[in-house]
Amino acid sequence: DAKTTQPPSMDCAEGRAANLPCNHSTISGNEYVYWYRQIHSQGPQYIIHGLKNNETNEMASLIITEDRKSSTLILPHATLRDTAVYYCIVLNAGGTSYGKLTFGQGTILTVHP
Amino acid sequence: DAGVIQSPRHEVTEMGQEVTLRCKPISGHNSLFWYRQTMMRGLELLIYFNNNVPIDDSGMPEDRFSAKMPNASFSTLKIQPSEPRDSAVYFCASSLFPENTEAFFGQGTRLTVV
Repeated sequence: DAKTTQPPSMDCAEGRAANLPCNHSTISGNEYVYWYRQIHSQGPQYIIHGLKNNETNEMASLIITEDRKSSTLILPHATLRDTAVYYCIVLNAGGTSYGKLTFGQGTILTVHP
Repeated sequence: DAGVIQSPRHEVTEMGQEVTLRCKPISGHNSLFWYRQTMMRGLELLIYFNNNVPIDDSGMPEDRFSAKMPNASFSTLKIQPSEPRDSAVYFCASSLFPENTEAFFGQGTRLTVV
């Protein structure tokens, strides 16, 4: 699976949009971009994933650049409960991956009042 | 469904003792993963199963670690003998591959070896 690069930390004001970038310049055509987050002392939680089109669900939006070399996770109205470590993961969702996730260091997002 | 259930939530044991961590995946899921998390190394994949068969155990740190999945609803991770450096939070996760690769994680077992 391709490697990802994320900033180690970011801050965001409560109520504002949080935009978390991820670089995955070596991504291949059949690899998806997944985002998970881990709130303190809890297991990681799935947020969203996409292949090449932008995606939106009740938690967030995922914007993938046309060349697929980078993406941005958007939390439209961040709350204090969104403070967590956010992981961007590239995954070959088929073949022999069996859905295994390889976590990097992620981005620590701190939402402040 | 109650989600992925891990037990115990906390375990404190003495060096040299055997430790067994347990995991009940979500019903119907066919892939199961064991992860370990420490401050120094982050989240590491130890081993994963598909349809109860171990697929890749290359992440298992050494022979003291073993994992089994005797049926689709139960898995164990055993450490024998335990050492202080095994202290970590151990997570179990399950998913339905390939239909839906979203992984659901349990709450973890915090292991302390003294």
